[in-house]
Amino acid sequence: GAVVSQHPSWVICKSGTSVKIECRSLDFQATTMFWYRQFPKQSLMLMATSNEGSKATYEQGVEKDKFLINHASLTLSTLTVTSAHPEDSSFYICSAEGGFPVYTFGSGTRLTVV
Amino acid sequence: GEDVEQSLFLSVREGDSSVINCTYTDSSSTYLYWYKQEPGAGLQLLTYIFSNMDMKQDQRLTVLLNKKDKHLSLRIADTQTGDSAIYFCAERDNDMRFGAGTRLTVKP
Repeated sequence: GAVVSQHPSWVICKSGTSVKIECRSLDFQATTMFWYRQFPKQSLMLMATSNEGSKATYEQGVEKDKFLINHASLTLSTLTVTSAHPEDSSFYICSAEGGFPVYTFGSGTRLTVV
Repeated sequence: GEDVEQSLFLSVREGDSSVINCTYTDSSSTYLYWYKQEPGAGLQLLTYIFSNMDMKQDQRLTVLLNKKDKHLSLRIADTQTGDSAIYFCAERDNDMRFGAGTRLTVKP
């Protein structure tokens, strides 16, 4: 089946630094990928839709300058949390449509900003 | 916006059946999904059902859909301790919307 690889699994960074999270579709091409944020014991909140070769579409309330998304190829989307602060600490998950109508999720990245 | 609601907790004994319920409001949903999330991990697709179906069975999993009432359920037969996880209901129209997740605890 379709596999989405997400790295890193966890990262700790200092406040004010930037962190990049990668999401790769391993055995299929994904023109669209999705980025979610999950707070402890809560559901997934869609942050943005990443489109290959064009600008990402951000959900209302998500700062596009803080959460930079790049989808430069059909198999790779990246999320960069810029100037991270402790309130950005969360679990970030990407997904892609590996074969209609199934969305496959990455294993998630736990970001801790200290 | 459209909502997907689920009860937050369910506790069952090993070997019993588990039934996790979900309601949604978007009548134009085309597909409905059940995902499983174990601690610190991503979401694993368990099963999905097209909106014009009433039931789908896959080994120990049975999905029932009542489109009129916008009610979806997941039944896990012979629940095992390895089934302990959070189960998310999701519906899809143009994008996917998730419920808050039901934490299933299986007691030996």
